[in-house]
Amino acid sequence: EIVMTQSPATLSVSPGERATLFCRASQSVSTNLAWYQQKPGQAPRLLIYGASTRATGIPARFSGSGSGTEFTLTINSLQSEDFAVYFCQQYTNWPLTFGGGTKVAIK
Amino acid sequence: QVQLQESGPGLVKPSETLSLTCTVSGGSISSKNYYWGWIRQPPGQGLEWIGSIYYSGTPYYNPSLTGRLTISVDTSKNQFSLKLTSVTAADTAVYSCARVLAGGGRHYYMDVWGKGATVTVSS
Repeated sequence: EIVMTQSPATLSVSPGERATLFCRASQSVSTNLAWYQQKPGQAPRLLIYGASTRATGIPARFSGSGSGTEFTLTINSLQSEDFAVYFCQQYTNWPLTFGGGTKVAIK
Repeated sequence: QVQLQESGPGLVKPSETLSLTCTVSGGSISSKNYYWGWIRQPPGQGLEWIGSIYYSGTPYYNPSLTGRLTISVDTSKNQFSLKLTSVTAADTAVYSCARVLAGGGRHYYMDVWGKGATVTVSS
């Protein structure tokens, strides 16, 4: 199976700053990559699919990039509601696999 | 707006069977555009894809769980279910159901998730 590795595990950022999260695949997944946001007690929310396409209703401050094995999720001008856990998921091969997650915490 | 809700026992004894149901509201489980999946997250660990099912009843299982896992669908109730046999403490996790975009026989990403149900395996 394809192993997804996210870094860093925790990212401390001040409100208004930019956060950059990384996701690496153990083999190429092309652009078959999604990003999700999860807050405590809530269902995960789809942010990005196709590595760079924002899902419906997702603010423009969220952007995704990358292809192959290296991917980035950038959150510009962090808002209070953006502090959460983010994880990536590949859908090139079965089984679908997820990264371990990055927690974006208030600095 | 489609919503998913997991239900089932929160405590299961070792060696017994874990059973969960996901109820889909606000939309039909019989849509050709989606699979219906289960994901779990053990405490302090990452997410693990368990498996999924199409409305026609075709299941797809994570090879790591094949042999213990059954996923089924009941289109009349707009529900799909998970049964995991011979559970151990390692099966303790938050179990979530999700709608998975489908196309060309492939699974894609999850666009709607349930909030998740905590299941503890303990005597």
